[in-house]
Amino acid sequence: AQSVTQLDSQVPVFEEAPVELRCNYSSSVSVYLFWYVQYPNQGLQLLLKYLSGSTLVESINGFEAEFNKSQTSFHLRKPSVHISDTAEYFCAVIPFQGAQKLVFGQGTRLTINP
Amino acid sequence: EAGVAQSPRYKIIEKRQSVAFWCNPISGHATLYWYQQILGQGPKLLIQFQNNGVVDDSQLPKDRFSAERLKGVDSTLKIQPAKLEDSAVYLCASSRLAGNNEQFFGPGTRLTVL
Repeated sequence: AQSVTQLDSQVPVFEEAPVELRCNYSSSVSVYLFWYVQYPNQGLQLLLKYLSGSTLVESINGFEAEFNKSQTSFHLRKPSVHISDTAEYFCAVIPFQGAQKLVFGQGTRLTINP
Repeated sequence: EAGVAQSPRYKIIEKRQSVAFWCNPISGHATLYWYQQILGQGPKLLIQFQNNGVVDDSQLPKDRFSAERLKGVDSTLKIQPAKLEDSAVYLCASSRLAGNNEQFFGPGTRLTVL
């Protein structure tokens, strides 16, 4: 079975400051990794994913995440946040083998202060 | 391309009543998922369909929850009878195939059981 831990339930930052949202996972098999974002009153949207290849993946709006297999982590970063980044962010994994279902972390609420 | 549609958006019922949620996935998506998201937690998969067959319903409380996907398109999720702990957002998602394919989420139905 897989589990995902997001170490911070809430992260407040000032606009234009850098941010890191932490995600660690546990799995006995290799996994694919995802970050989903949920803006206020909207559904979940895929932000970025790691399937294979380069361990650093980027989104179109400036976020990036790095897969670290030895630390079983997939932290999400952005060098300079904007008010529009205010949302809840979910880390999730799917195993390569076995029951291929998304397992989510509990979410991190990112609040941007002007 | 139209997104995943869900209705109703909000529902308030008393415990022991019945309730049903409807989902229309993105056209052509073979896989459909129902998730339960309790406040402060990440989404948890309840049931996964591949076309009109059930792939995984291991976390569906079958004594009170049921779901169907007739003709492999629309799906309904029913709760009968509802309990207080069923208060949550019920999310529907779809993907072209299962596995590491991106899942597209609907806006969700917020259920409050009094």
